[in-house]
Amino acid sequence: DVKVTQSSRYLVKRTGEKVFLECVQDMDHENMFWYRQDPGLGLRLIYFSYDVKMKEKGDIPEGYSVSREKKERFSLILESASTNQTSMYLCASRTNLAGATPEQFFGPGTRLTVL
Amino acid sequence: LAKTTQPISMDSYEGQEVNITCSHNNIATNDYITWYQQFPSQGPRFIIQGYKTKVTNEVASLFIPADRKSSTLSLPRVSLSDTAVYYCLVGDGWTGGGADGLTFGKGTHLIIQP
Repeated sequence: DVKVTQSSRYLVKRTGEKVFLECVQDMDHENMFWYRQDPGLGLRLIYFSYDVKMKEKGDIPEGYSVSREKKERFSLILESASTNQTSMYLCASRTNLAGATPEQFFGPGTRLTVL
Repeated sequence: LAKTTQPISMDSYEGQEVNITCSHNNIATNDYITWYQQFPSQGPRFIIQGYKTKVTNEVASLFIPADRKSSTLSLPRVSLSDTAVYYCLVGDGWTGGGADGLTFGKGTHLIIQP
């Protein structure tokens, strides 16, 4: 089974802190994604990566950056956390092999609170 | 980027068949239709994907009319555990230049009652 793990289930940070959210997948997937989910807004794509060292902006990249130095790991960075970044953060991965079903496999999520 | 429209919420009862329809008027020739399910405090989980006509797996069926401007997810004989949010996505899923097929939107909150 594909396993996507996220470094923390719950995280509390203060305004202005630099925050790292880590995501690791164990199925050698090329693509990885970061979403945030807020009540009434659904899932919104922050950034995604097609392969190592590659990144693309999603719908709401402002205030975030990402890093993909190794294939299995995709990090989301909040350079200076703000209260409006309090949210549930979900990481996902998927294969890019031709002919495979392009389903995304999600991690359990990190609930981040910025005080 | 194809946009989807789904009902915000639906109610049904145990043992009933539930159909959730998604509208995607601007679907492109290369686009597939994918449905995900999400339980509270969990990430979404893939349910089914299709391109045209009908697709069935052990969990659900997906009906897509000839014009492909809409699709219907059908859940047979639902139980309380089917209470979840269901998302419809449209895109080719493989494009290397953009977030096509990665827009989850707000989904449909399905509530199953005893």
